[in-house]
Amino acid sequence: AQTVTQSQPEMSVQEAETVTLSCTYDTSESDYYLFWYKQPPSRQMILVIRQEAYKQQNATENRFSVNFQKAAKSFSLKISDSQLGDAAMYFCAYRSALDQGAQKLVFGQGTRLTINP
Amino acid sequence: KAGVTQTPRYLIKTRGQQVTLSCSPISGHRSVSWYQQTPGQGLQFLFEYFSETQRNKGNFPGRFSGRQFSNSRSEMNVSTLELGDSALYLCASSWSPPRILRQYFGPGTRLTVT
Repeated sequence: AQTVTQSQPEMSVQEAETVTLSCTYDTSESDYYLFWYKQPPSRQMILVIRQEAYKQQNATENRFSVNFQKAAKSFSLKISDSQLGDAAMYFCAYRSALDQGAQKLVFGQGTRLTINP
Repeated sequence: KAGVTQTPRYLIKTRGQQVTLSCSPISGHRSVSWYQQTPGQGLQFLFEYFSETQRNKGNFPGRFSGRQFSNSRSEMNVSTLELGDSALYLCASSWSPPRILRQYFGPGTRLTVT
């Protein structure tokens, strides 16, 4: 079974600074997808960024980028120019590509990110 | 397009009762997944339905069941409620051809079992 580990229960950063959230995962599969989801206090989970394991290039979405190290099974999220609206719980998630359509996500325990003004 | 909706948003039940939660996916989405979120266990996958068939199932007891209707709306049922079933139940929908990656989550149903 796949597992996802987020070793930082809480992180804080000054507004406009850069912060990196860590995620490691364990799998014996070679084809899979990785995600970062954000859950603000309102509770609606939002996709931040995604990475397909067969792509070597790290994904970026505006101020959000990932450092995907497949051999190390590491998938960190970097948030640049942090904004107050970035404050939330961040979840790293894994999805197997073996069953092409199935949508089962395996989540890490989450990292609570606080932005200090 | 309307987002994923879940009803009710809050629910209080007594141990031993049963409960039914509803999820309406985004129009056109055929896959609905359910997750349980608790402080202790985090987010855990319950099951996924696609075209009225259960396609995937997590490690939950048989007290947890679900179904999907022809309009893709889904319900999950928990029978003989236990205190440990208190959680936020999230559903997520997606249009599910291969390699379509994005799931859209609803706001959740907060279930409290007393």
